[in-house]
Amino acid sequence: AQSVTQLDSQVPVFEEAPVELRCNYSSSVSVYLFWYVQYPNQGLQLLLKYLSGSTLVKGINGFEAEFNKSQTSFHLRKPSVHISDTAEYFCAVSLYNFNKFYFGSGTKLNVKP
Amino acid sequence: GAVVSQHPSWVICKSGTSVKIECRSLDFQATTMFWYRQFPKQSLMLMATSNEGSKATYEQGVEKDKFLINHASLTLSTLTVTSAHPEDSSFYICSAISGARSRGELFFGEGSRLTVL
Repeated sequence: AQSVTQLDSQVPVFEEAPVELRCNYSSSVSVYLFWYVQYPNQGLQLLLKYLSGSTLVKGINGFEAEFNKSQTSFHLRKPSVHISDTAEYFCAVSLYNFNKFYFGSGTKLNVKP
Repeated sequence: GAVVSQHPSWVICKSGTSVKIECRSLDFQATTMFWYRQFPKQSLMLMATSNEGSKATYEQGVEKDKFLINHASLTLSTLTVTSAHPEDSSFYICSAISGARSRGELFFGEGSRLTVL
């Protein structure tokens, strides 16, 4: 079975500071990895995904994530956050056939001025 | 990006009534649609997976007779909560995938908040 753990339910950070949102997964088979963002009163949208190739993946809005197979992690980073990055971020994994997606519990990023 | 529209965005109903939520893919054909339930401070819980023209596959613990899912076309899936009770109050989210186009990317609706009185 697959599972996704986001240990930090809330991350407060000041504007222009760097941020890392942690994601660890558990799976007995290889998976694809995703980060989704949910802005207030909106649906989830894709930030970035790792399917294969380079383990450092760049996404929209200056976010990037690094797949670490040995540590089964896929942490999300941004070197300098903006107020507009305030949102909830979900890490997810999927099997190769995309028949199922498993989500973490989400991390609320609160960027303060 | 692709657009998935969910309707209604919020609904209030009396206990014992049924509520239907629609999920439409507006600009692509969704080979597979997923229905999730989101609890406060918890992850999205997958309820069922539906493929066009076939019966939905429900996750363990989800009552198929209570949560009726129909995927009649490549652009429409519906979730009907039958004989709703207050414990069914939740945020329901649909998502769609088109394998050829999206390479695994899920496209989400805005969600529907159900409140059962």
